[in-house]
Amino acid sequence: RKEVEQDPGPFNVPEGATVAFNCTYSNSASQSFFWYRQDCRKEPKLLMSVYSSGNEDGRFTAQLNRASQYISLLIRDSKLSDSATYLCVVMGDASKLTFGTGTRLQVTL
Amino acid sequence: ETGVTQTPRHLVMGMTNKKSLKCEQHLGHNAMYWYKQSAKKPLELMFVYSLEERVENNSVPSRFSPECPNSSHLFLHLHTLQPEDSALYLCASSHATGISYGYTFGSGTRLTVV
Repeated sequence: RKEVEQDPGPFNVPEGATVAFNCTYSNSASQSFFWYRQDCRKEPKLLMSVYSSGNEDGRFTAQLNRASQYISLLIRDSKLSDSATYLCVVMGDASKLTFGTGTRLQVTL
Repeated sequence: ETGVTQTPRHLVMGMTNKKSLKCEQHLGHNAMYWYKQSAKKPLELMFVYSLEERVENNSVPSRFSPECPNSSHLFLHLHTLQPEDSALYLCASSHATGISYGYTFGSGTRLTVV
């Protein structure tokens, strides 16, 4: 089983749609969780941390389910500029970050 | 400007060449990392430096040799690489390995081995 597993997509959605990505992780001792965004041929950039109680940042909502070992990212009112690859990232032993392969989102007119 | 600068942005090298990748951060971070990103694969951690000491080497072949002369600079020395080493090499930094902050990445060096 992969340490961090994501559906690679692509998810093709129209502008204004709501889209959700899930990610599962295998290490139950994982401590911290993040979503990163990576544009084509660019470096990953931190989108948001994921807290146990769930957290929201504008149109983006992240949630963590420790019992089922998955995290989710919900994007409301999708914009063209949201088109990117979204990386699920888990911090486990020795504060090591483990990345998923990413989920590609394409928002269309 | 991300605060983490990598040079060169692109590098083409032959299998017998020796080259070095450079990373510099101006964020006051004290941990630095090298990651490799290949097509359709997750980012792979290569090396971790905390307070200028190497704390992790993820079974990386010896043809990759890191160097961290101070907390702001990190190098990756390359020699006798193979075509399968072609990838995007990303440097990242963070406050410390023991704190749950995300990392700040540089723009990467896109390496092609011919």
